[in-house]
Amino acid sequence: KAGVTQTPRYLIKTRGQQVTLSCSPISGHRSVSWYQQTPGQGLQFLFEYFSETQRNKGNFPGRFSGRQFSNSRSEMNVSTLELGDSALYLCASSLDTGRADTQYFGPGTRLTVL
Amino acid sequence: AQSVTQLGSHVSVSEGALVLLRCNYSSSVPPYLFWYVQYPNQGLQLLLKYTSAATLVKGINGFEAEFKKSETSFHLTKPSAHMSDAAEYFCAVSEGFQKLVFGTGTRLLVSP
Repeated sequence: KAGVTQTPRYLIKTRGQQVTLSCSPISGHRSVSWYQQTPGQGLQFLFEYFSETQRNKGNFPGRFSGRQFSNSRSEMNVSTLELGDSALYLCASSLDTGRADTQYFGPGTRLTVL
Repeated sequence: AQSVTQLGSHVSVSEGALVLLRCNYSSSVPPYLFWYVQYPNQGLQLLLKYTSAATLVKGINGFEAEFKKSETSFHLTKPSAHMSDAAEYFCAVSEGFQKLVFGTGTRLLVSP
């Protein structure tokens, strides 16, 4: 079974631009979560989607948004990019059977904002 | 809110030595705890998880962790380190709706 895939793997943008990142979950997984990883703040939860609905959201500004499609694929969008948005963005999928679920992570998209 | 604390941002061991990575949790409900490993330029891979079925949890690659409620700890151990174990290790607690709260990570360095 294929793992979680994320595209693109690397991205370079300039301040003020917007960016869209894509995540394809493991087949059969309906929950997709997004995390931001930076050297200073570590791993932080952005949001989670299940059945095209956002169920949970972390403490990030409204410039960060996401969506999920009927095939469970998910995208996240960051508008008006700032230098501090440079990070590794990780997507994770799970079966969503409860709090003990294993989240399976993709390789991440490394975003650099210049 | 739940949280985890990882003591030591870097741990250095010699090949063949015991690996001990520390994690303490804070939770108002019975916690579900996870250890993940991250190799350079890769995502996170699950090593093991605690789901209250057993306090001693065995994971992949020879790692195990013991849940100790009295000490609010979930330390990760491996009897004998290999060079291939060099990576960053994250402890995490589940906060529901597929949200994990991660510790700050511990980088394991293994010297020959």
